[in-house]
Amino acid sequence: TQLLEQSPQFLSIQEGENLTVYCNSSSVFSSLQWYRQEPGEGPVLLVTVVTGGEVKKLKRLTFQFGDARKDSSLHITAAQPGDTGLYLCAGGAQKLVFGQGTRLTINP
Amino acid sequence: DTEVTQTPKHLVMGMTNKKSLKCEQHMGHRAMYWYKQKAKKPPELMFVYSYEKLSINESVPSRFSPECPNSSLLNLHLHALQPEDSALYLCASSPCPVSINEQFFGPGTRLTVL
Repeated sequence: TQLLEQSPQFLSIQEGENLTVYCNSSSVFSSLQWYRQEPGEGPVLLVTVVTGGEVKKLKRLTFQFGDARKDSSLHITAAQPGDTGLYLCAGGAQKLVFGQGTRLTINP
Repeated sequence: DTEVTQTPKHLVMGMTNKKSLKCEQHMGHRAMYWYKQKAKKPPELMFVYSYEKLSINESVPSRFSPECPNSSLLNLHLHALQPEDSALYLCASSPCPVSINEQFFGPGTRLTVL
């Protein structure tokens, strides 16, 4: 069974700080997705990483896929209150496996 | 149209009621999914439809009955639910059912069972 472990589970930082969220597995994934979810809403797809070592940028968010395609990270530069939400990594074919999520709070 | 829509947004039902959740997408996706999400947890997969055929049932109780009338629509029929079934029910779709599984989620239906 493929499992994804996210860390940290909770993170509360001040506006303007940088942060990194990790998503790790002992299994190889053909791709990993990152989603952001706000309370009472569905997850919104942020990015998909496919190639080992791949780096993708989405404004202040940088996503990296590990060389062995077993892990991924999300780095946010100069965090803003609008970045607050639940960040989920997910992977797998047909059956999407989700990490437990990182609940991020950016304080003004 | 690049979104998945779900109706209703909120639903309150008694344990003897019968209700249905609806999901629609017009992105030409050939796989559609139902998830259940409890507070502070990630989504849990319930059902997968691939090319309008049920391909995965994650041992979901029979009081939940999915239906895929066509490639754009997905329903979840509810009957004799229990209070512990209260949750956010999410529908999702993806362009391919295998390999790169990018799923696009609807806003969800918040279900409360009294």
